[in-house]
This record gives sequence, C-alpha cells and structure tokens, in this order.
Amino acid sequence: AQSVSQHNHHVILSEAASLELGCNYSYGGTVNLFWYVQYPGQHLQLLLKYFSGDPLVKGIKGFEAEFIKSKFSFNLRKPSVQWSDTAEYFCAVSSRGSYIPTFGRGTSLIVHP
Amino acid sequence: DAGVIQSPRHEVTEMGQEVTLRCKPISGHNSLFWYRQTMMRGLELLIYFNNNVPIDDSGMPEDRFSAKMPNASFSTLKIQPSEPRDSAVYFCASSGPGAVYEQYFGPGTRLTVT
Repeated sequence: AQSVSQHNHHVILSEAASLELGCNYSYGGTVNLFWYVQYPGQHLQLLLKYFSGDPLVKGIKGFEAEFIKSKFSFNLRKPSVQWSDTAEYFCAVSSRGSYIPTFGRGTSLIVHP
Repeated sequence: DAGVIQSPRHEVTEMGQEVTLRCKPISGHNSLFWYRQTMMRGLELLIYFNNNVPIDDSGMPEDRFSAKMPNASFSTLKIQPSEPRDSAVYFCASSGPGAVYEQYFGPGTRLTVT
C-alpha cells in the first residue's frame, strides 16, 4: 500500500515570503501526483497535477511543483505568498491506472499580511 | 457546470438518529468517491463507485455506514444509528472521462452528532 507524507503540519509565513511544502510518497511504480488546496470553509480544489513529461509543473495562482523521482518527492513551491494563500494544502498520489488517490494529512498554511 | 452538489450542507442530529447525506456528481463523470474529514484522521476515503458499482468500500468504518448509487447522477451515504464520533465533514467527489485521475470535490456536509 502506498503512503503519502507531508512533513510540515503547520507553516506560518509573512506576505511575500517564499513557500515550499514537502511531500514524499512510498510507491515503487509509476505514479500520478496532485496538490489540492482547501481554503477556509471550502472544498478541496485541484491546484496542479503531474502525470508525465516535464517534472516541473505549473499550477494556478503562481504555484509550481517539482517531481523528483529519485527522492519520491513532489514538493510544492511559490516564490511569494499572499494573504489569500492561507489554506490547507494536500498532496495526493495514485498509482498509474488507479482512480483512487492516497492523500497526505495536509499542511496548514497561514500567511500574515 | 454546477460542479458536485451535496446536501444538506449542515446537519445536526442526536445520537441514535439516522442520517442521510446526498451527492450529485458532475454530469458525465462515472466515478464517485465519499470521503470523511476530521482533525484527528485527516481525509479518509470511505467508498468508491465506478459506473454506479461499489468498487472499494474498505474504508467504510462499520456496518452503521452504508452507501448507494442507484444511478449515475445520485448517491447517498447513510449512517444508522449515528454516534457522536461520526461528527465530521463528509465530502463527495467525482471524476470522469477527460480527467479520470483528477477529483472534483463537492462543498461537503458538516455533520454534528450530539
């Protein structure tokens, strides 16, 4: 069974600071990788995804993530965060051909104005 | 598209009562997922349907929980009898052709069992 580990449970930043949220997974085969965001009181929304090709993936709202196969990692980054980025961020992984992703526990990001 | 629709958005009930949560997936999507989200356990997959058929229900906590999908546009999650530990936010998500690996989540139902 695969597992997803998000190292940072809580992150607090000031506006304009850079962000990197870690995500590691345990699965030896080909994977699909996702980052979802959940704004306060709202449902989860897809932020970005990786299936194949360029390991550096651009998502919405200036977010990007890099797939490093050798490290089983898919870290989320943003050069300059905004107050509106305050949310819970979930990394998810599914094995190629599976419709069922495994979600990490989430990272709560608070951005102070 | 209206997205995934869930009802009710909030439900407060007393222990022992039956609770029914409803979900309408995005039209054309053929996969449907029910999740439960709590502070303690995070996001847990309860059950997964494909083409209205339950494929994986290993996440359903116990016999008090049941889920049905009578047609492609409707699913229910029932808890009978409900217990305080069932208090959580329950999300429905769907996926389908063109985006088979991406999930589109509904707004969730916040269930409180007193």
